[in-house]
Amino acid sequence: AQSVTQLGSHVSVSEGALVLLRCNYSSSVPPYLFWYVQYPNQGLQLLLKYTSAATLVKGINGFEAEFKKSETSFHLTKPSAHMSDAAEYFCAVTPNFGNEKLTFGTGTRLTIIP
Amino acid sequence: DTAVSQTPKYLVTQMGNDKSIKCEQNLGHDTMYWYKQDSKKFLKIMFSYNNKELIINETVPNRFSPKSPDKAHLNLHINSLELGDSAVYFCASSHKGGGELQQETQYFGPGTRLLVL
Repeated sequence: AQSVTQLGSHVSVSEGALVLLRCNYSSSVPPYLFWYVQYPNQGLQLLLKYTSAATLVKGINGFEAEFKKSETSFHLTKPSAHMSDAAEYFCAVTPNFGNEKLTFGTGTRLTIIP
Repeated sequence: DTAVSQTPKYLVTQMGNDKSIKCEQNLGHDTMYWYKQDSKKFLKIMFSYNNKELIINETVPNRFSPKSPDKAHLNLHINSLELGDSAVYFCASSHKGGGELQQETQYFGPGTRLLVL
């Protein structure tokens, strides 16, 4: 079985500051990991994904995440927050052998302080 | 062009009614999904179809019945709506790819906001 835990349901950072959203996973088999973003009243958009190639994954809008097997983590970072980054962020996991089921974390709401 | 589209975007209805939500994808994907997002933003898969065949059926009341007339469409019919069915329902699609080691990205629709009164 797979699961993800997102630490911090709400994170606030100042504009221009570092963004760090935490995700830890649990998986009995090698995982694929994803970060999705949901802007208010919209659907989910893929930010980036880890599929066992490079452990440092770069995504859209300046976000990146690093897969750390020893820490079972896949934290999302961005060096400098922008007002447009305010949204809900979801980490998700799936087994790497073709199981289509995505298991989502509970989400982290990111607020940007002007 | 919208990749994954859902209709309607908003749905307000009375308890006990039957309603349908439609989903269409123009990405040429072979797998489609329905997810439910509750009031606390928690997302959980409900169903998944691959090439019109049901492959994932989570613990969902049998009042919910998915139907896939073809690979590009996955509709969700809900009978006897209850207050607890109020949520945002997301459709998604992906391409399973070649072999069992492929896991392609799931692309989500804009969601259907269902409110049961």
